[in-house]
Amino acid sequence: QSALTQPASVSGSPGQSITISCTGTSSDVGNYDLVSWYQQHPGKAPKLMIYEVSKRPSGVSNRFSGSKSGNTASLTISGLQAEDEADYYCCSYVGSGTSFGGGTKLTVL
Amino acid sequence: QITLKESGPTLVKPTQTVTLTCRVSGFSLSTNGVSVGWIRQPPGKALEWLAFIYWNDDKRYSPSLKSRLTISKDTSKNQVVLTMTNMDPVDTATYYCAHSRGYSYGYWGQGTLVTVSS
Repeated sequence: QSALTQPASVSGSPGQSITISCTGTSSDVGNYDLVSWYQQHPGKAPKLMIYEVSKRPSGVSNRFSGSKSGNTASLTISGLQAEDEADYYCCSYVGSGTSFGGGTKLTVL
Repeated sequence: QITLKESGPTLVKPTQTVTLTCRVSGFSLSTNGVSVGWIRQPPGKALEWLAFIYWNDDKRYSPSLKSRLTISKDTSKNQVVLTMTNMDPVDTATYYCAHSRGYSYGYWGQGTLVTVSS
């Protein structure tokens, strides 16, 4: 299984919205509604932000939302805040396990 | 609350086998629908899924590492064990275990850094 494709970096100013894409294939992202997103600050373990494409775990801000169209999933962060600056990873079920994306570094300008 | 904690050697030599242990609390490894996965992250690089084990002892492995990995659990000890054979410097990484339901990883351990060097 190949890693899912994410942009290496995105940036935005406080208050703006940004979207991070995660492109897979019809065998993974396109075939299952089992995409999750993780936020990772330097030196910390990843934190689940979105599961099953668009569901938010308890305690995660509603500024974070997820969606999917075809073989591409997306994470949108609205009302950007300085604390959102981190690495973000998507993950999808691939039929015999899971696969992570290459990660996207979000910079809040 | 659910917690996970990894342990294992911090330094291994090339060609050696490493055994990593994940001790869990706050849930049972035999609860229907629960699995525990191992994910690693080389310094400065992306997350890579390695393996997971289901509540019913079913197991799945990364195709690229399948020949080198073995995952097992001891429900009575609340622990999941991952062994990786023939370690190489490229296997230097922080190794995480994580609780999963529905193929998302909601709870993670703090990670343990394993360095492979002679």
